[in-house]
Amino acid sequence: GQQVMQIPQYQHVQEGEDFTTYCNSSTTLSNIQWYKQRPGGHPVFLIQLVKSGEVKKQKRLTFQFGEAKKNSSLHITATQTTDVGTYFCAGSASNDYKLSFGAGTTVTVRA
Amino acid sequence: DSGVTQTPKHLITATGQRVTLRCSPRSGDLSVYWYQQSLDQGLQFLIQYYNGEERAKGNILERFSAQQFPDLHSELNLSSLELGDSALYFCASSVSSGRSNEQFFGPGTRLTVL
Repeated sequence: GQQVMQIPQYQHVQEGEDFTTYCNSSTTLSNIQWYKQRPGGHPVFLIQLVKSGEVKKQKRLTFQFGEAKKNSSLHITATQTTDVGTYFCAGSASNDYKLSFGAGTTVTVRA
Repeated sequence: DSGVTQTPKHLITATGQRVTLRCSPRSGDLSVYWYQQSLDQGLQFLIQYYNGEERAKGNILERFSAQQFPDLHSELNLSSLELGDSALYFCASSVSSGRSNEQFFGPGTRLTVL
C-alpha cells in the first residue's frame, strides 16, 4: 500500500536559522497536505498542494510539491519559538480516498 | 477551537474491557475520520464515514468498530482492550468525502489501558 515517509524525524534548530523537512511517497499522489501539531495539541491544517511543481508560501513557511508528485518539502526561514511542534505531511493516491500521514518531523527550537 | 468535539477527554480502563469514544463533527461536515496516535508515532488512519456510510478503511483492528449516526456524530468502539491500545484517538471531520478536503481535528481522547 501507499507509504509516506518523512525526514528527518527530529529537527533541533537554533532560533533564527532555517530548516527543511521532506516528505516522500512510494506512489504518485493526487494531492498533499501539511498539518502542524503543537505539543499537547491536535493536528491543524496548514496547506494543500495539488499541482505538479506547485509552490505556496505562508509568511516564513514555503511548501513545495515535486514535479513527479511523489515528494514535498516544507522550508521554514528564521525559525521562531512559535514554530515548535510536529509537522506532518499527508497524501492521497489518485485511487484512494484516505490520507496517508507521514510519521512527522518534530521541531524544537533553541533560543 | 476546530469545532470538532470529542468525549471523554481521558479514559483509563483495564485490559479486556470495552470502551466507546464519541465525536461530534463541525456543523455542516458530513465526513468523520478516526485516527490513532501512539507515543512517538504518526497518525494511523482507522476509518472514515461519510453521511452515515463507511467510505474508507485503514488498518483498523477487528476488535475495533465504528459508526456514524443520522445526526452525523460518530462513535468508535474498542473491545477486548490490550495494553498496546493505549494511545491518543483523534476524530476529524471535513465537508465532504473527497481526499482534497481539509480535515479539522478534535482535541482527542487519551486512552490508557492498564
